[in-house]
Amino acid sequence: GAGVSQTPSNKVTEKGKYVELRCDPISGHTALYWYRQSLGQGPEFLIYFQGTGAADDSGLPNDRFFAVRPEGSVSTLKIQRTERGDSAVYLCASSLRAGTDVTNTGELFFGEGSRLTVL
Amino acid sequence: SQQGEEDPQALSIQEGENATMNCSYKTSINNLQWYRQNSGRGLVHLILIRSNEREKHSGRLRVTLDTSKKSSSLLITASRAADTASYFCASKPSNDYKLSFGAGTTVTVRA
Repeated sequence: GAGVSQTPSNKVTEKGKYVELRCDPISGHTALYWYRQSLGQGPEFLIYFQGTGAADDSGLPNDRFFAVRPEGSVSTLKIQRTERGDSAVYLCASSLRAGTDVTNTGELFFGEGSRLTVL
Repeated sequence: SQQGEEDPQALSIQEGENATMNCSYKTSINNLQWYRQNSGRGLVHLILIRSNEREKHSGRLRVTLDTSKKSSSLLITASRAADTASYFCASKPSNDYKLSFGAGTTVTVRA
Protein backbone atom coordinates (compact mmCIF):
# COMPACT_ATOMS: atom_id res chain seq x y z
CA GLY A 1 0.00 0.00 0.00
CA ALA A 2 0.93 3.64 -0.20
CA GLY A 3 0.84 4.37 3.51
CA VAL A 4 2.93 3.44 6.55
CA SER A 5 2.32 -0.18 7.48
CA GLN A 6 2.78 -1.56 10.99
CA THR A 7 2.61 -5.16 12.15
CA PRO A 8 1.30 -6.69 14.27
CA SER A 9 -1.70 -4.46 14.91
CA ASN A 10 -2.16 -6.12 18.29
CA LYS A 11 0.29 -8.04 20.42
CA VAL A 12 -0.44 -9.62 23.79
CA THR A 13 2.52 -11.00 25.65
CA GLU A 14 3.54 -12.07 29.13
CA LYS A 15 5.81 -10.13 31.41
CA GLY A 16 9.43 -10.95 30.71
CA LYS A 17 8.96 -11.95 27.07
CA TYR A 18 10.67 -10.42 24.03
CA VAL A 19 8.64 -8.62 21.33
CA GLU A 20 9.35 -7.16 17.93
CA LEU A 21 7.24 -4.54 16.23
CA ARG A 22 7.70 -3.83 12.54
CA CYS A 23 7.24 -0.67 10.51
CA ASP A 24 7.27 -0.35 6.72
CA PRO A 25 7.43 3.37 5.83
CA ILE A 26 6.20 5.13 2.74
CA SER A 27 8.50 4.36 -0.18
CA GLY A 28 11.11 7.07 -0.62
CA HIS A 29 10.77 8.49 2.88
CA THR A 30 14.23 8.64 4.41
CA ALA A 31 13.18 9.73 7.90
CA LEU A 32 11.47 7.25 10.22
CA TYR A 33 10.21 7.87 13.74
CA TRP A 34 8.92 5.67 16.54
CA TYR A 35 6.53 7.17 19.08
CA ARG A 36 4.74 5.60 22.03
CA GLN A 37 1.23 6.58 23.02
CA SER A 38 -0.29 5.68 26.37
CA LEU A 39 -4.03 5.80 26.95
CA GLY A 40 -5.34 9.35 26.97
CA GLN A 41 -1.96 10.85 26.11
CA GLY A 42 -0.28 12.26 23.05
CA PRO A 43 2.53 10.44 21.25
CA GLU A 44 5.92 10.52 22.97
CA PHE A 45 9.09 10.39 20.92
CA LEU A 46 11.24 7.27 21.19
CA ILE A 47 13.75 7.19 18.34
CA TYR A 48 14.42 8.68 14.94
CA PHE A 49 16.26 7.27 11.92
CA GLN A 50 17.69 9.16 9.00
CA GLY A 51 18.49 6.42 6.50
CA THR A 52 19.98 3.42 8.25
CA GLY A 53 21.38 5.14 11.31
CA ALA A 54 19.62 6.04 14.52
CA ALA A 55 20.15 9.79 14.56
CA ASP A 56 18.44 10.30 17.91
CA ASP A 57 17.50 7.59 20.39
CA SER A 58 17.10 9.94 23.35
CA GLY A 59 13.46 8.96 23.87
CA LEU A 60 14.07 5.27 24.46
CA PRO A 61 13.10 4.71 28.11
CA ASN A 62 15.87 2.24 28.95
CA ASP A 63 18.23 -0.34 27.45
CA ARG A 64 15.47 -2.92 27.09
CA PHE A 65 14.34 -0.95 24.04
CA PHE A 66 16.24 -1.10 20.79
CA ALA A 67 15.40 -0.33 17.17
CA VAL A 68 17.06 -1.07 13.84
CA ARG A 69 16.63 -0.05 10.24
CA PRO A 70 19.32 -2.09 8.46
CA GLU A 71 18.51 -1.20 4.85
CA GLY A 72 17.09 2.25 5.35
CA SER A 73 13.51 1.17 4.81
CA VAL A 74 11.76 -1.26 7.17
CA SER A 75 12.39 -0.70 10.87
CA THR A 76 11.95 -3.05 13.82
CA LEU A 77 11.43 -1.91 17.39
CA LYS A 78 12.62 -4.56 19.83
CA ILE A 79 11.64 -4.75 23.48
CA GLN A 80 13.37 -7.21 25.79
CA ARG A 81 12.09 -8.50 29.13
CA THR A 82 8.78 -6.73 28.71
CA GLU A 83 7.12 -5.14 31.73
CA ARG A 84 3.48 -4.24 32.33
CA GLY A 85 4.40 -0.57 32.05
CA ASP A 86 5.45 -1.13 28.43
CA SER A 87 1.79 -1.59 27.49
CA ALA A 88 0.92 1.15 25.01
CA VAL A 89 0.34 1.81 21.34
CA TYR A 90 3.61 2.04 19.44
CA LEU A 91 3.30 4.38 16.47
CA CYS A 92 5.63 4.58 13.52
CA ALA A 93 5.79 7.61 11.25
CA SER A 94 7.83 8.55 8.23
CA SER A 95 8.61 11.75 6.40
CA LEU A 96 10.32 12.59 3.15
CA ARG A 97 13.43 13.82 4.93
CA ALA A 98 14.32 15.40 8.20
CA GLY A 99 16.16 18.55 9.07
CA THR A 100 15.96 21.78 10.96
CA ASP A 101 15.85 24.09 7.94
CA VAL A 102 12.72 26.15 7.49
CA THR A 103 11.86 24.42 4.22
CA ASN A 104 11.42 21.14 6.06
CA THR A 105 7.98 21.13 7.58
CA GLY A 106 8.44 17.90 9.50
CA GLU A 107 4.97 16.70 8.53
CA LEU A 108 4.65 13.09 9.60
CA PHE A 109 2.73 10.24 8.02
CA PHE A 110 1.66 7.76 10.68
CA GLY A 111 0.84 4.08 10.60
CA GLU A 112 -2.13 2.66 12.47
CA GLY A 113 0.06 1.59 15.38
CA SER A 114 0.85 -1.65 17.17
CA ARG A 115 -1.06 -2.07 20.42
CA LEU A 116 1.12 -3.92 22.92
CA THR A 117 -0.40 -5.44 26.03
CA VAL A 118 1.90 -6.97 28.60
CA LEU A 119 0.09 -9.23 31.07
CA SER B 1 8.41 14.20 27.32
CA GLN B 2 5.58 16.20 25.78
CA GLN B 3 6.25 19.81 25.10
CA GLY B 4 2.76 21.21 24.96
CA GLU B 5 -0.47 21.47 26.83
CA GLU B 6 -3.90 21.40 25.29
CA ASP B 7 -7.23 22.51 26.59
CA PRO B 8 -9.87 21.55 27.04
CA GLN B 9 -9.07 17.87 27.57
CA ALA B 10 -12.53 17.00 26.31
CA LEU B 11 -15.26 18.82 24.44
CA SER B 12 -18.82 17.77 23.65
CA ILE B 13 -20.86 19.79 21.16
CA GLN B 14 -23.97 19.52 19.04
CA GLU B 15 -23.69 18.92 15.30
CA GLY B 16 -23.49 22.25 13.51
CA GLU B 17 -21.76 24.06 16.38
CA ASN B 18 -18.15 25.21 16.29
CA ALA B 19 -15.39 23.50 18.25
CA THR B 20 -12.40 25.43 19.55
CA MET B 21 -9.35 23.93 21.20
CA ASN B 22 -6.14 25.54 22.37
CA CYS B 23 -2.54 24.51 22.55
CA SER B 24 0.49 25.96 24.29
CA TYR B 25 4.12 25.08 23.66
CA LYS B 26 7.42 25.84 25.33
CA THR B 27 10.25 26.59 22.88
CA SER B 28 10.61 28.70 19.76
CA ILE B 29 9.22 26.88 16.78
CA ASN B 30 9.62 26.48 13.04
CA ASN B 31 5.99 25.53 12.65
CA LEU B 32 3.02 24.09 14.52
CA GLN B 33 0.87 21.30 13.18
CA TRP B 34 -2.49 19.81 14.09
CA TYR B 35 -3.27 16.12 13.77
CA ARG B 36 -6.46 14.15 14.16
CA GLN B 37 -6.80 10.64 15.55
CA ASN B 38 -9.92 8.54 15.31
CA SER B 39 -10.35 5.95 18.04
CA GLY B 40 -7.92 3.07 17.58
CA ARG B 41 -6.31 4.59 14.49
CA GLY B 42 -3.13 6.42 13.61
CA LEU B 43 -2.72 10.19 13.45
CA VAL B 44 -3.58 12.12 10.32
CA HIS B 45 -2.08 15.51 9.49
CA LEU B 46 -4.70 18.28 9.23
CA ILE B 47 -2.99 21.62 8.88
CA LEU B 48 0.35 23.36 9.40
CA ILE B 49 1.05 26.96 10.32
CA ARG B 50 4.52 28.44 10.07
CA SER B 51 6.05 30.63 12.73
CA ASN B 52 5.75 33.74 10.53
CA GLU B 53 2.04 33.17 9.93
CA ARG B 54 -0.77 34.26 12.25
CA GLU B 55 -3.80 32.58 10.77
CA LYS B 56 -4.49 29.84 8.26
CA HIS B 57 -7.63 28.26 6.82
CA SER B 58 -8.30 24.89 5.28
CA GLY B 59 -11.90 24.01 4.52
CA ARG B 60 -13.78 24.11 7.84
CA LEU B 61 -10.54 24.43 9.82
CA ARG B 62 -9.05 27.66 11.06
CA VAL B 63 -5.75 27.78 12.91
CA THR B 64 -4.22 30.75 14.68
CA LEU B 65 -0.74 31.13 16.06
CA ASP B 66 0.53 33.63 18.63
CA THR B 67 4.28 33.18 18.97
CA SER B 68 4.51 35.86 21.67
CA LYS B 69 2.25 33.75 23.88
CA LYS B 70 3.52 30.44 22.50
CA SER B 71 -0.02 29.34 21.80
CA SER B 72 -2.22 28.15 18.97
CA SER B 73 -5.89 27.44 18.50
CA LEU B 74 -7.82 25.17 16.18
CA LEU B 75 -11.39 26.01 15.23
CA ILE B 76 -13.63 23.52 13.48
CA THR B 77 -16.70 25.23 12.08
CA ALA B 78 -20.10 23.65 11.43
CA SER B 79 -19.06 20.41 13.11
CA ARG B 80 -20.29 17.03 11.94
CA ALA B 81 -20.61 13.71 13.74
CA ALA B 82 -17.67 12.50 11.63
CA ASP B 83 -15.46 15.13 13.31
CA THR B 84 -15.62 13.08 16.52
CA ALA B 85 -11.96 12.31 17.25
CA SER B 86 -8.96 13.38 19.31
CA TYR B 87 -7.04 16.38 18.08
CA PHE B 88 -3.35 16.91 18.82
CA CYS B 89 -1.12 19.89 18.31
CA ALA B 90 2.52 19.19 17.48
CA SER B 91 5.26 21.78 17.58
CA LYS B 92 8.42 21.61 15.49
CA PRO B 93 11.18 23.41 17.38
CA SER B 94 13.49 25.72 15.45
CA ASN B 95 16.55 23.67 16.30
CA ASP B 96 15.12 20.18 16.17
CA TYR B 97 13.72 17.80 13.59
CA LYS B 98 11.20 15.92 15.68
CA LEU B 99 7.68 16.94 16.56
CA SER B 100 6.56 17.27 20.16
CA PHE B 101 2.91 16.48 20.74
CA GLY B 102 0.42 17.77 23.26
CA ALA B 103 -1.88 15.52 25.27
CA GLY B 104 -4.79 16.12 22.92
CA THR B 105 -8.40 17.27 23.04
CA THR B 106 -11.13 14.67 22.65
CA VAL B 107 -14.04 16.09 20.67
CA THR B 108 -17.44 14.44 20.63
CA VAL B 109 -20.01 15.77 18.17
CA ARG B 110 -23.55 14.74 19.03
CA ALA B 111 -25.96 14.19 16.15
